[in-house]
Amino acid sequence: DAGVIQSPRHEVTEMGQEVTLRCKPISGHDYLFWYRQTMMRGLELLIYFNNNVPIDDSGMPEDRFSAKMPNASFSTLKIQPSEPRDSAVYFCASSLGQQNTGELFFGEGSRLTVL
Amino acid sequence: RKEVEQDPGPFNVPEGATVAFNCTYSNSASQSFFWYRQDCRKEPKLLMSVYSSGNEDGRFTAQLNRASQYISLLIRDSKLSDSATYLCVVSPSGGYNKLIFGAGTRLAVHP
Repeated sequence: DAGVIQSPRHEVTEMGQEVTLRCKPISGHDYLFWYRQTMMRGLELLIYFNNNVPIDDSGMPEDRFSAKMPNASFSTLKIQPSEPRDSAVYFCASSLGQQNTGELFFGEGSRLTVL
Repeated sequence: RKEVEQDPGPFNVPEGATVAFNCTYSNSASQSFFWYRQDCRKEPKLLMSVYSSGNEDGRFTAQLNRASQYISLLIRDSKLSDSATYLCVVSPSGGYNKLIFGAGTRLAVHP
């Protein structure tokens, strides 16, 4: 069975440009998470969804960040406009809530560099 | 204060050594605890859950001290393949689904 699929794997862009990161969770999983990882701050939870509905977006750093989940098999994280301090690895993860044992299944991440 | 704090390391140990990592958490209402492992430039993966009574999985032993808000991971007979970053993870009250990760402790096992 396919795991969590993220795209792009690497993105290099210039400050001010719009960035869209994409995620396909594991089929049947009803929770989807977006995390950001940097050396300075570690792994930070940005937002998570349950059954496509955003439950907690308190970790979204500012209005430049937005996330959507239009259906159970797709989510996007958008940064507009991007800034150099947004450079990080962005992970998407999914889990099966009802039987969740604390195991989040992470994608391979999207490494973003903003110049 | 960070919600989950870990010693960043690195811990450099020879093969066969026993090594212990510690972690503290700030939210006394936290209900669930885990250790995740992250290899260099890879995604985190669940290593083991941490139960109140302590639990063991092969060479790995996890313990929880709720009174001190302290979690530990012990690795016995270290292998080269154990080299990774170990992330302490806590779920605040409200279930498993909101997981807060510590910054991780890096372990390097050498021959």
